[in-house]
Amino acid sequence: KAGVTQTPRYLIKTRGQQVTLSCSPISGHRSVSWYQQTPGQGLQFLFEYFSETQRNKGNFPGRFSGRQFSNSRSEMNVSTLELGDSALYLCASSSGQGGIRGQYFGPGTRLTVT
Amino acid sequence: AQSVTQLDSQVPVFEEAPVELRCNYSSSVSVYLFWYVQYPNQGLQLLLKYLSGSTLVESINGFEAEFNKSQTSFHLRKPSVHISDTAEYFCAVTPQGSSNTGKLIFGQGTTLQVKP
Repeated sequence: KAGVTQTPRYLIKTRGQQVTLSCSPISGHRSVSWYQQTPGQGLQFLFEYFSETQRNKGNFPGRFSGRQFSNSRSEMNVSTLELGDSALYLCASSSGQGGIRGQYFGPGTRLTVT
Repeated sequence: AQSVTQLDSQVPVFEEAPVELRCNYSSSVSVYLFWYVQYPNQGLQLLLKYLSGSTLVESINGFEAEFNKSQTSFHLRKPSVHISDTAEYFCAVTPQGSSNTGKLIFGQGTTLQVKP
């Protein structure tokens, strides 16, 4: 099976702009979670989607949003970008509801905000 | 709420030497535990997991971890490391039996540096 794919891999945006990141899970996986990775804060959970519904949400401002489509593909959107949003954004998929068997991560999208 | 503490930010070790990466967690409920590895410029790869049963779990590439409930620890060990094991290792937990199982709480990571 193909792994989790994320597009684009690299992105440079300017403060105030918005950005949309895409994630395609492993075939058959219905749960998709998003994480932000920064040197200072480490890996932080953003949100999880299952069957097009947001099941869990981390402690991020409302500028961070996401959605999941009927084919389980997911997008996350960040509006009004700030310099502190520069990070590696990782998407993970799992077969069960949640991640009991472990989540499988994509390579990430590296976002740089200037 | 849960938290994870990885006690060492960097662990330098010579090739073929044994290594232990330490992980402690805090949680008011039972948790599932995971170790992930991240190679440079890549995403995270699941190394091994503890869900229930035997407290010693093993991976296919020689790593093992032991769940110790009384000490709330899940340390990762390998008896003989290779240069290719150089990477960052993350310990993570998720609470059992709730809708939070899709939410992993990670430690800050430990960089394993294997020297020739």
